[in-house]
Amino acid sequence: SQKIEQNSEALNIQEGKTATLTCNYTNYSPAYLQWYRQDPGRGPVFLLLIRENEKEKRKERLKVTFDTTLKQSLFHITASQPADSATYLCALVASGTYKYIFGTGTRLKVLA
Amino acid sequence: NAGVTQTPKFRVLKTGQSMTLLCAQDMNHEYMYWYRQDPGMGLRLIHYSVGEGTTAKGEVPDGYNVSRLKKQNFLLGLESAAPSQTSVYFCASSYDGQGAYGYTFGSGTRLTVV
Repeated sequence: SQKIEQNSEALNIQEGKTATLTCNYTNYSPAYLQWYRQDPGRGPVFLLLIRENEKEKRKERLKVTFDTTLKQSLFHITASQPADSATYLCALVASGTYKYIFGTGTRLKVLA
Repeated sequence: NAGVTQTPKFRVLKTGQSMTLLCAQDMNHEYMYWYRQDPGMGLRLIHYSVGEGTTAKGEVPDGYNVSRLKKQNFLLGLESAAPSQTSVYFCASSYDGQGAYGYTFGSGTRLTVV
């Protein structure tokens, strides 16, 4: 069955370091992959989208990579700040469908 | 402020009661979605709509109905609530079906069925 895996354990890093979050998927050929940020008690907020034919996408301190051979996306936050502490979700959609499948998210805590 | 508004924010229902969750968006988006979020399960798609007057089933549609009579509104109904429907419900909208510009989510409705 189609499955998305994100590390369920929280990731703690020191302020100023680069945070790297992983999204792995199986039995799926995504056309698009999205990353969201979710704060407690709030809805997810869209951050970045990367297409299947793109290897890397950047937005300010954020970088997303997409490896369709490894079936993996990496999400990087450089020069991390305590305000970056949140849960980060990845989501995939196949070409021609409207159904994004979401991972369970990884909680990031940036320590001052 | 442009975005997705969900009402109510909190609700407690008794088993067997019915209710309707309202989602309204002011971005003129064609596509709208209802998700539920449970601990350890991630967001799961309940129903979605690709335009005014259309609805379709998602991953977990049983026990729910939806209507999209107006483009800006997407209603989620529970006809006979069950404790298994205790969850946080999120509505989302998007400009296109592939979500190329991302989904815009509401702030959620926390529903408890006792």
